[in-house]
Amino acid sequence: DQQVKQNSPSLSVQEGRISILNCDYTNSMFDYFLWYKKYPAEGPTFLISISSIKDKNEDGRFTVFLNKSAKHLSLHIVPSQPGDSAVYFCAASASGTYKYIFGTGTRLKVLA
Amino acid sequence: EAQVTQNPRYLITVTGKKLTVTCSQNMNHEYMSWYRQDPGLGLRQIYYSMNVEVTDKGDVPEGYKVSRKEKRNFPLILESPSPNQTSLYFCASKRDFTDTQYFGPGTRLTVL
Repeated sequence: DQQVKQNSPSLSVQEGRISILNCDYTNSMFDYFLWYKKYPAEGPTFLISISSIKDKNEDGRFTVFLNKSAKHLSLHIVPSQPGDSAVYFCAASASGTYKYIFGTGTRLKVLA
Repeated sequence: EAQVTQNPRYLITVTGKKLTVTCSQNMNHEYMSWYRQDPGLGLRQIYYSMNVEVTDKGDVPEGYKVSRKEKRNFPLILESPSPNQTSLYFCASKRDFTDTQYFGPGTRLTVL
């Protein structure tokens, strides 16, 4: 039972264009969502997060959007750069728990 | 330098031979956690610890043990490894009541 789903295993985008990575969840108890980026042979690194009391959070080139009614979140990267090429994981947690449920990841390739 | 370290980074072993993967953090973080990453399954949480002597199961705890006797260390113990535990393992830590988990570089384990 995959509670957090990233349905696109891979995505290719031209440098300078927008990258949109999607994530769906099924558990309505989740109220905190995070995105991590992972390069080969390294551990994941935190990118950006959003609480369910918000529908948008921005940090530089990265923006996360949350649609609670659709149980959907997306990560926008604008403009995309070759250094953004990595695997992106979304993760979810519920208040009062210390559990994190990760998606299966989307491999982003930004073409120069 | 603030970091999470794991040892060993690579390990090949045989079925049934007990092993321990160590994890240490130098950030005085209360929370530590173990994950495994498998193709098509993303990151799955094995165990987590909210503080010294406080641990709980994640999503896939079967076949693993942990202990948290000191704040900085959180070893993962496989008492009788089996081939289905062949995976890439990550340790992570964070301050309590914050979001950002810091991940170690990973331990690639192969059980023959």
